Amino acid sequence: ETGVTQTPRHLVMGMTNKKSLKCEQHLGHNAMYWYKQSAKKPLELMFVYNFKEQTENNSVPSRFSPECPNSSHLFLHLHTLQPEDSALYLCASSQDRGNNEQFFGPGTRLTVL
Amino acid sequence: DQQVKQNSPSLSVQEGRISILNCDYTNSMFDYFLWYKKYPAEGPTFLISISSIKDKNEDGRFTVFLNKSAKHLSLHIVPSQPGDSAVYFCAASGTGANNLFFGTGTRLTVIP
Repeated sequence: ETGVTQTPRHLVMGMTNKKSLKCEQHLGHNAMYWYKQSAKKPLELMFVYNFKEQTENNSVPSRFSPECPNSSHLFLHLHTLQPEDSALYLCASSQDRGNNEQFFGPGTRLTVL
Repeated sequence: DQQVKQNSPSLSVQEGRISILNCDYTNSMFDYFLWYKKYPAEGPTFLISISSIKDKNEDGRFTVFLNKSAKHLSLHIVPSQPGDSAVYFCAASGTGANNLFFGTGTRLTVIP
């Protein structure tokens, strides 16, 4: 596989569930990002990891918990979400934190019931 | 408050004609601008970028123009092709390549 992959592509969960989103990049990049895209809103940066270290948490509620075990993998652990958290969650990577050109995965469409 | 704005949610253009997508920004510290293209069920893909030291950057059918004094940039596609039909996002970042700030996107439809 090439590029940035995300699983699952679609997820429906209840407010009491715990689930995880997975992102994997095959580009040899060192920086990885989680974005949220809600309807009619711009992409919102959630978290940034550079060389496996979290460098940015953009005031994201604690019900979203990221994990970056290595430079190729990024997870977003979800628990006790709210219906307003329903959105498209996009993962991206770039060569490093100083590189603006980010490569995006296809996203996970999350619906919270 | 949105720092990058795309005020036209949609645009329809006849095949072969020019498509012009517009983007405005408010932060004068932005110095690098990008356009991304997104097809349904896919993530955004990088299209073209421009640094604030330039006012024009061209790549094949795609040209980005930057007007720093007006805090405005535009993407020109000529000639437009049906395969260009997608959502186009404008993005901007400041010195040090910190966060990318995105607009809400413009849906381009190229009519055959």
